Amino acid sequence: DAGVTQSPTHLIKTRGQHVTLRCSPISGHKSVSWYQQVLGQGPQFIFQYYEKEERGRGNFPDRFSARQFPNYSSELNVNALLLGDSALYLCASRGLAGGPTGELFFGEGSRLTVL
Amino acid sequence: DQQVKQNSPSLSVQEGRISILNCDYTNSMFDYFLWYKKYPAEGPTFLISISSIKDKNEDGRFTVFLNKSAKHLSLHIVPSQPGDSAVYFCAASGDITQGGSEKLVFGKGTKLTVNP
Repeated sequence: DAGVTQSPTHLIKTRGQHVTLRCSPISGHKSVSWYQQVLGQGPQFIFQYYEKEERGRGNFPDRFSARQFPNYSSELNVNALLLGDSALYLCASRGLAGGPTGELFFGEGSRLTVL
Repeated sequence: DQQVKQNSPSLSVQEGRISILNCDYTNSMFDYFLWYKKYPAEGPTFLISISSIKDKNEDGRFTVFLNKSAKHLSLHIVPSQPGDSAVYFCAASGDITQGGSEKLVFGKGTKLTVNP
């Protein structure tokens, strides 16, 4: 079975542009989360979606938005890009929302560079 | 405000010896703790977890210990192998005011190097 897949794997944008990152969860997984990992830091929570509804939002500005589609895939959108948005964006999926396990399955990430 | 702290950015051990990676947390609302391993150009991979109702969980060469009173957990790898060389992230979840079990709070990671 395929794991969590993300696209694109690498992209370069300039300040002020918009970017859309895509994620397909593991088949059967209905929960998708997005994390941002800046160099030298651990991943930081951005959003979590379950059954197309937002279940959690991290401390990120409104320039960041996301959505989940009926097939459980997800998009992360970032508007008005800043240099500080340069990071590895990780998507993760899990089979059940809530519950004690906390285990997430991560994709390989989308490396965004803002110039 | 760093709620999960990994104070050692790097650790180097010899093959066959024990690796001990440490993690401290400040939020007493966390009730589940996890370790992830990350190789370059790959996403983090789940390694082992522990619930706050336990003080030890073992899976093969990997054991996680939790000391709730000290708000401290550690990951022991015995014996260490060169393939264990990676960045290890400690993560916590469960604070219902911060997304409950859906949100993982990560430390900055410790880079483990196991020398042959």
